[in-house]
Amino acid sequence: GAVVSQHPSWVICKSGTSVKIECRSLDFQATTMFWYRQFPKQSLMLMATSNEGSKATYEQGVEKDKFLINHASLTLSTLTVTSAHPEDSSFYICSGGGDYAQHFGDGTRLSIL
Amino acid sequence: GENVEQHPSTLSVQEGDSAVIKCTYSDSASNYFPWYKQELGKRPQLIIDIRSNVGEKKDQRIAVTLNKTAKHFSLHITETQPEDSAVYFCAASKNNFNKFYFGSGTKLNVKP
Repeated sequence: GAVVSQHPSWVICKSGTSVKIECRSLDFQATTMFWYRQFPKQSLMLMATSNEGSKATYEQGVEKDKFLINHASLTLSTLTVTSAHPEDSSFYICSGGGDYAQHFGDGTRLSIL
Repeated sequence: GENVEQHPSTLSVQEGDSAVIKCTYSDSASNYFPWYKQELGKRPQLIIDIRSNVGEKKDQRIAVTLNKTAKHFSLHITETQPEDSAVYFCAASKNNFNKFYFGSGTKLNVKP
């Protein structure tokens, strides 16, 4: 089946640091990538939708200058959390869209100290 | 926009019993309804999905039913096993490459 590889799986860093998360579709071309944030015991909250070669579309309430998304190719999308603070600590997960279904990466657990 | 509601939030069953999780959606244009299983700290995994042109789909112990008129769909798990314990999410979407609207999740606990 379709595989999305997400790295890193776990990040611990100091407040003020910028963190980059990568998602790669390994055996299919993800024209669309979705980025989600998930708090403990809660559902997936869509942050933004990115299409290859164009600007990402952010959901209401998501700061686009804080969460920078780049989708430079059909197989790679990145999310950069800029100047991260403790309230940004969460589980971030991407998914690649293809033919209705979405295929999720393993997620990145981000902890900001 | 679309609003997906999911019930119950928690469900506890005895091993071997059946489990049913229900979702409703608001946008009649939604036409794709996947179900995902998520174990603690892991990615959501697609377990079954249904498109709006069918009313029921089955895959071994798992089945999904869709009532387009009432705008609700349900996940049925028969002969539950302890390894079925996880959080299950329903979602609704319109067309290819479109964003998913997820339900709030159901924590299923199968007691041995």
